[in-house]
Amino acid sequence: EVVMAQSPATLSVSPGERATLSCRASQSVSSNLAWYQQKPGQAPRLLIYGASTRATGTPARFTGSGSGTEFTLTISSLQSEDFAVYYCQQYNNWPPMYTFGQGTKLEIK
Amino acid sequence: QVQLVESGGGLVKPGGSLRLSCAASGFTFSDHYMGWIRQAPGKGLEWVSYISDSGNTRYYADSVKGRFTISRDNAKNSLYLQINSLRAEDTAVYYCARALEDSGGYYQGFEYWGQGTLVTVSS
Repeated sequence: EVVMAQSPATLSVSPGERATLSCRASQSVSSNLAWYQQKPGQAPRLLIYGASTRATGTPARFTGSGSGTEFTLTISSLQSEDFAVYYCQQYNNWPPMYTFGQGTKLEIK
Repeated sequence: QVQLVESGGGLVKPGGSLRLSCAASGFTFSDHYMGWIRQAPGKGLEWVSYISDSGNTRYYADSVKGRFTISRDNAKNSLYLQINSLRAEDTAVYYCARALEDSGGYYQGFEYWGQGTLVTVSS
């Protein structure tokens, strides 16, 4: 099983600043990685797939990068609506075993 | 617009069973792979199961294999999850979600999600 580890668990950043979230896979997942945003009481929202492709409606301030085992989600110039929990998910296995990371909570500093 | 509405959650005793449903609208249901993802209270996301557009192929997380069964009725635009032999650790909000596929038909994430239905396993 591929284990996904996200860091840090909590990230405190001021509005207008940049946030960098990390996701590491226990073995290579190529570029088969997605990022989701979840706000309290809401379902997750797909932000990025294929490690770097923005999903429909994802603002340009969200940038995904990386391949293999190391991935990054960068949010430039944080807006108030960006404070949420972010999850990475790998989908490289066959048969499917689409494991999620444990999440990073992005909070207002 | 795409809508996914889950139902069927509730309080059940350990060892009991439930059948969750997900009613889909706003898209051609039979064209898309679908999945179930759960989230225990205050915890992260856990992928549970995935089914092909025809319903012929099904996949499960190891934690639920043999106890959960995913199915779909394309004529009714509905997705189901039969959950048996429930345990306390199955307590979670269960989300149904529609897969995003690339031009080659490969899974790229879950693009649309319902609001979830809560399953509580307790005596």
